[in-house]
Amino acid sequence: EIVLTQSPGTLSLSPGERATLSCRASQSVSSSYLVWYQQKPGQAPRLLIYGASSRATGIPDRFSGSGSGTDFTLTISRLEPEDFAVYYCQQYGSSPPWTFGQGTKVEIK
Amino acid sequence: QVQLVQSGAEVKKPGASVKVSCKASGYSFTSYAMHWVRQAPGQRLEWMGWINAGNGNTKYSQKFQGRVTITRDTSASTAYMELSSLRSEDTVVYYCARTQITIFGVVLGAFDIWGQGTMVTVSS
Repeated sequence: EIVLTQSPGTLSLSPGERATLSCRASQSVSSSYLVWYQQKPGQAPRLLIYGASSRATGIPDRFSGSGSGTDFTLTISRLEPEDFAVYYCQQYGSSPPWTFGQGTKVEIK
Repeated sequence: QVQLVQSGAEVKKPGASVKVSCKASGYSFTSYAMHWVRQAPGQRLEWMGWINAGNGNTKYSQKFQGRVTITRDTSASTAYMELSSLRSEDTVVYYCARTQITIFGVVLGAFDIWGQGTMVTVSS
C-alpha cells in the first residue's frame, strides 16, 4: 500500500499570501495518478487537480499542481477567503488500495 | 445538473449490516464507475471499493474484502454499498463518488462528483 504523507499539518496564512502544500509518497507514483482535493467543514471533498497538474473544471488558475515520482506540490498563488479549508492528496494506480494523505489544513492567520 | 444523492443517516447495532444508496442524475450512469469512500471525523479519507456501473465489475480494498458489497441498479441509476459485521470503528461518514472509465475499460481514480455523505452510527 502506498502511504501519502502531507506537510505541514497546518498552514497559518493571511489572505493574499501564497500557500505551498507538500505530498510525499512512500513509493513512486505515476504523475497521471496523483490528485488533489479541497474539503470544507461538513462538505464532501471537491476535485481540484488531477494528473498532478491539470485543473478540474471550474477551478481558478490560482491553484496549480506540480511534481513527480514521490514528491508533489499544490500551490495556491494568492489565498482568497474561500480557500481556507483542508486539502488532501490522493493516488491511484493499477493496484488498489487507492490512498489519501492525512490532509493539510490551511487556516487564517 | 450532475449530482449524487445519498440515503439518510443510519443507526445500527454491532454485528448488523447497513446498506447505503447513491442515486445519480444528470449523466449517463452506466458510462462511469461509482466508488465508496469513508471518513472518520478529522481523519483521512479511506477508499473502500468501486463498481463499473456499465458491466457491474467490482474491486474492493483488501481491508474491507468479505465485509463490503457494492452493487448497482441501472434502471434506477443507483449504486449501493452494503457493509456487514458492523463494529464501532465503522461509525463514520460514507461517500459515494464518481470516476471516469477509459475506452479500454480502465477505471480512473479522480473523483469528480461526490454525494453529500451518509453518517452511519454503530452503537449498542
